[in-house]
Amino acid sequence: DAGVTQSPTHLIKTRGQQVTLRCSPKSGHDTVSWYQQALGQGPQFIFQYYEEEERQRGNFPDRFSGHQFPNYSSELNVNALLLGDSALYLCASAPSGLAGAQETQYFGPGTRLLVL
Amino acid sequence: SQQGEEDPQALSIQEGENATMNCSYKTSINNLQWYRQNSGRGLVHLILIRSNEREKHSGRLRVTLDTSKKSSSLLITASRAADTASYFCATGGWGKLQFGAGTQVVVTP
Repeated sequence: DAGVTQSPTHLIKTRGQQVTLRCSPKSGHDTVSWYQQALGQGPQFIFQYYEEEERQRGNFPDRFSGHQFPNYSSELNVNALLLGDSALYLCASAPSGLAGAQETQYFGPGTRLLVL
Repeated sequence: SQQGEEDPQALSIQEGENATMNCSYKTSINNLQWYRQNSGRGLVHLILIRSNEREKHSGRLRVTLDTSKKSSSLLITASRAADTASYFCATGGWGKLQFGAGTQVVVTP
């Protein structure tokens, strides 16, 4: 049973560029959340996708957008990259429904983005 | 802003010793979770304690929750080198978790 997978593992971009990160949720999970983790900090919630729609959003600008596909996989897009966007981007999945209220999140290994 | 704050920021112990870290949070909660992160990679869920529980055990882990003080503690007993990691407390649900800055634990052989 594959867990949450993310690609790529590492990425280097320059300021102003655009980047797309990908995530496949754990088998049986249909919700995907994205987090940004700066060096030395805890993860910060970006947004959550369920039924191919953005359901919740954290305090991130519109430069951060996402998408969820019918197979529940998801993409995170960041436009007009800034140096401050350098971070580890984590994807987490959980099953929807009342059971567990999506409390426990299963995290992928992350994509480390460096913006130069 | 972060909901939880862990204390201490860093902890260095020897194998076999116990490691204790604390978490304080700001608003009322339904549950509190602890996660572990090795070498800046993905987080692994360790344990969840609900607001109506005071203590919970899982293997060498013991978590306490004091809702009156808005605080929780994580105790790792008989630590091993493999316990070297960052530990985070998290609150929230429905896919939106709020994490503290974490406690970095180093266990030396």
